[in-house]
Amino acid sequence: GQNIDQPTEMTATEGAIVQINCTYQTSGFNGLFWYQQHAGEAPTFLSYNVLDGLEEKGRFSSFLSRSKGYSYLLLKELQMKDSASYLCAVRVYNTDKLIFGTGTRLQVFP
Amino acid sequence: DADVTQTPRNRITKTGKRIMLECSQTKGHDRMYWYRQDPGLGLRLIYYSFDVKDINKGEISDGYSVSRQAQAKFSLSLESAIPNQTALYFCATRDGGDTEAFFGQGTRLTVV
Repeated sequence: GQNIDQPTEMTATEGAIVQINCTYQTSGFNGLFWYQQHAGEAPTFLSYNVLDGLEEKGRFSSFLSRSKGYSYLLLKELQMKDSASYLCAVRVYNTDKLIFGTGTRLQVFP
Repeated sequence: DADVTQTPRNRITKTGKRIMLECSQTKGHDRMYWYRQDPGLGLRLIYYSFDVKDINKGEISDGYSVSRQAQAKFSLSLESAIPNQTALYFCATRDGGDTEAFFGQGTRLTVV
């Protein structure tokens, strides 16, 4: 089976750094995605990790440890527009299913 | 025009009615997915398809059926809608390999 865990909610201050964690247990792992979703809108792609290590893309970075079943999304220099839900998703090996966690709702305050 | 288009965007229907949600894409992707999203439960996979002849059940397929009419079109049907199928439904597409999924704008379905 598949199980993906993320914190339900987080808060942070504008200009700060926040780390959103994701742990997963899947029957087969073939990559992890992070998506951003503003309320009532479609999810949009942020990052993808398939090998261990850090992937950096501007203010956003994502880390993966396959042996620990763990990933995090790091957001730097937070802006008000970063207030959104952040979804962790795992691609399941051999089926190509994309399974999502419940998402982390981030609120950024001035 | 959007790459992934869902119709309708909003729908209110009565219990017991049959309803179809449609999804079309212009990205030429072979993989298409249907998800529903409920508060606190995230995106849950209903059905997915790798091509016209390859359709697979997801985590919560009971009460739903799908049709892949063409590579670009993937429809989701509720044969007899019930109130707990009230949710936000998303269609997504992706290419094979290490590529991200692209989502439609969603269909907000209310069953009364």
